[in-house]
Amino acid sequence: LAKTTQPISMDSYEGQEVNITCSHNNIATNDYITWYQQFPSQGPRFIIQGYKTKVTNEVASLFIPADRKSSTLSLPRVSLSDTAVYYCLVGDVIKAAGNKLTFGGGTRVLVKP
Amino acid sequence: DAGVIQSPRHEVTEMGQEVTLRCKPISGHNSLFWYRQTMMRGLELLIYFNNNVPIDDSGMPEDRFSAKMPNASFSTLKIQPSEPRDSAVYFCASSFTFGEADTEAFFGQGTRLTVV
Repeated sequence: LAKTTQPISMDSYEGQEVNITCSHNNIATNDYITWYQQFPSQGPRFIIQGYKTKVTNEVASLFIPADRKSSTLSLPRVSLSDTAVYYCLVGDVIKAAGNKLTFGGGTRVLVKP
Repeated sequence: DAGVIQSPRHEVTEMGQEVTLRCKPISGHNSLFWYRQTMMRGLELLIYFNNNVPIDDSGMPEDRFSAKMPNASFSTLKIQPSEPRDSAVYFCASSFTFGEADTEAFFGQGTRLTVV
């Protein structure tokens, strides 16, 4: 599984856009990029997944450059409730025997009033 | 669906005692995962099952840990004997594997284990 590197923490203010960049220099051809969010005292929750270019859903956008060696999770107009730890995962989710999610340290995002 | 259900939510036990954590995956899911989370080591995958069969238990710390999945709707993680360093939050997650693809994983609320 490809190793990922992301900032340990980020501070932001309500209404701002938060961008978290994840580095994955040794990403493989079959690897997808997946982001999970974890609130305090809860289990992680899937946010978004992509392979290349841009993916957008109701929660976030994921930008992936052509070389795929990094990706950026973008949270538009954050609120206090977006305070959480955000994990970037890279791996081949197309497996016959199930997906083994390997979590790194994550980025702790603190949204201030 | 109620999601992945774990019990108990909190468990406090004395060192040397047996501890059993329980998990009910989402109905229809055929992959199940047990994770452990601590401040020092983050989220660690302990074991995962596919169609009730343990596929990879390389993350299980030692022989004191064992996991079973007797049927598609129930799994247990047992620690015997427990030690203070086992104190952590234990998460269970499930997903659906179809052909060679997997859906996202859905996590339970976790069991906070404290061994004193």
